[in-house]
Amino acid sequence: SQELEQSPQSLIVQEGKNLTINCTSSKTLYGLYWYKQKYGEGLIFLMMLQKGGEEKSHEKITAKLDEKKQQSSLHITASQPSHAGIYLCGADVGSNYKLTFGKGTLLTVNP
Amino acid sequence: NAGVMQNPRHLVRRRGQEARLRCSPMKGHSHVYWYRQLPEEGLKFMVYLQKENIIDESGMPKERFSAEFPKEGPSILRIQQVVRGDSAAYFCATSAGRDQPQHFGDGTRLSIL
Repeated sequence: SQELEQSPQSLIVQEGKNLTINCTSSKTLYGLYWYKQKYGEGLIFLMMLQKGGEEKSHEKITAKLDEKKQQSSLHITASQPSHAGIYLCGADVGSNYKLTFGKGTLLTVNP
Repeated sequence: NAGVMQNPRHLVRRRGQEARLRCSPMKGHSHVYWYRQLPEEGLKFMVYLQKENIIDESGMPKERFSAEFPKEGPSILRIQQVVRGDSAAYFCATSAGRDQPQHFGDGTRLSIL
């Protein structure tokens, strides 16, 4: 089974709406990374979370790592077409460097 | 451009040929990681290198694949005698330390004819 599950697999929202993407691990997360990928391009680093209960924000994007360190959520407030892309969570499940990735969430924002 | 540079962006090879993928780290980064992204699958770790040393190659196929990060120049992922199943996007990431965020390049899309 997949070590890191992302949900939903895809999401279509109207511009201005809020949305949440989840990333759930079957193992304890020692580090959780959120990236954004546009089709055919590389991954853009968004945020890194390491401590249980930690929450970070950048512009309209907020990510949180739960206390038990097995789930993270990414929340976008007042979405814009520029937020469209594939959101990937990558996790360090104990190696300190070898990231395990989810399959991604495809976000479409309609103007 | 101070980001992670990968080249070529696209590479086409015939079965049996060799493929060489290059990765130049961000300034100040000495840790290099290679990942492979197959269609419909997530990114999979292949190998982790620091200057002149392979730290972990547990995700790399035992045959035909090799990686290096010489003292001078870019890191190179080499695939010998390519087969159709090697078609994928290969991403390089670099970091300033093993517990620091990994920053990714734009990838090399390898197609095997």
